[in-house]
Amino acid sequence: GQQVMQIPQYQHVQEGEDFTTYCNSSTTLSNIQWYKQRPGGHPVFLIQLVKSGEVKKQKRLTFQFGEAKKNSSLHITATQTTDVGTYFCAGKDSNYQLIWGAGTKLIIKP
Amino acid sequence: KAGVTQTPRYLIKTRGQQVTLSCSPISGHRSVSWYQQTPGQGLQFLFEYFSETQRNKGNFPGRFSGRQFSNSRSEMNVSTLELGDSALYLCASSLVSVSSYNSPLHFGNGTRLTVT
Repeated sequence: GQQVMQIPQYQHVQEGEDFTTYCNSSTTLSNIQWYKQRPGGHPVFLIQLVKSGEVKKQKRLTFQFGEAKKNSSLHITATQTTDVGTYFCAGKDSNYQLIWGAGTKLIIKP
Repeated sequence: KAGVTQTPRYLIKTRGQQVTLSCSPISGHRSVSWYQQTPGQGLQFLFEYFSETQRNKGNFPGRFSGRQFSNSRSEMNVSTLELGDSALYLCASSLVSVSSYNSPLHFGNGTRLTVT
């Protein structure tokens, strides 16, 4: 079946370093959503990207949707402790079914 | 506006029992989706209900079932519980069906089920 591969599974960073997670689909997506789940919490919707090549920013977070609408990335500049959590992408396939990535866990090194 | 409410928050059951979880969506939301999340796993889709009809179903055995009422509240039932059913069960609501173009999900806090 259709899959959205998300890498890396974990990323350890020092506070202040940057963080990036990538999602890749084998098929073209109609749109892609990003969610954040804090430890012990539930996923919270961050953003939806719709257009080919779209780039959206939310403060230190930059979201990109690839030209072919098969890949997406989330980049966090100068991470803070409040960024800790697991980031999920979820792409809508041609049938508008939501296909979830496995998530990338952001860990801040002490 | 109140968020998505799931009850109970925690549940301990023994193997072979059955359990019912409840989800009240955000007011006005007609779609309710259920997910299973285990440690280190992503979100595994169980099913979606929209206007009391099951719209989509994930790859789970028939022991997992659900329903939606006319007020959009939803229940999920798991029969003949197995140890592997221990997980966080998340409910998410959206204004329109997930299969619509624009339908961000709003998740509840989840029900943590432990099967012993």
